[in-house]
Amino acid sequence: QQQVKQSPQSLIVQKGGISIINCAYENTAFDYFPWYQQFPGKGPALLIAIRPDVSEKKEGRFTISFNKSAKQFSLHIMDSQPGDSATYFCAAGTYGQNFVFGPGTRLSVLP
Amino acid sequence: DTEVTQTPKHLVMGMTNKKSLKCEQHMGHRAMYWYKQKAKKPPELMFVYSYEKLSINESVPSRFSPECPNSSLLNLHLHALQPEDSALYLCASSQAGVPNTGELFFGEGSRLTVL
Repeated sequence: QQQVKQSPQSLIVQKGGISIINCAYENTAFDYFPWYQQFPGKGPALLIAIRPDVSEKKEGRFTISFNKSAKQFSLHIMDSQPGDSATYFCAAGTYGQNFVFGPGTRLSVLP
Repeated sequence: DTEVTQTPKHLVMGMTNKKSLKCEQHMGHRAMYWYKQKAKKPPELMFVYSYEKLSINESVPSRFSPECPNSSLLNLHLHALQPEDSALYLCASSQAGVPNTGELFFGEGSRLTVL
């Protein structure tokens, strides 16, 4: 019940395209869903996060879509750029408790 | 630039050595974390300190010993490690004293190799 599934494992997108990463969870108590971006040799950094009281959150080119009934959420990167090439981790958790990272998606944006 | 500073960036140690990893933050955050990350895997939580007290220990072997001397510093003492403990060790902090209630700020990590 603590597991967070993430797909695809790797993704190659042309510059200017849309990158889509999907995550699914089982624990209905989860109420916090962040996305972290990690570049090689760096620690993860928070990209965007959502709580289940909204279905979508947009920050610049990054959008989280959240489907509470399906227990799924996804990250959309519009107008993908080579600088977006990184590993993306979705996560899910409950207030005050440890949150669980998904296995990660390695994104490559081709110039 | 990250505001969580970790030293050393790289560490090579033998199985009989004793070494320490250090982490420092000056953002006034009240919770600090140690994570372990293997190549191509997500970070795995090891320990959480909340208001300088150990609040979460994810059943980590005793050869890893955390210490929080004050609200800005976090250490991880290493002793009698195994080669499978080789990994990137990440320190993180968050503003609220209650763990995992907001953004985690990660350092760049200490890459540990155990021979």
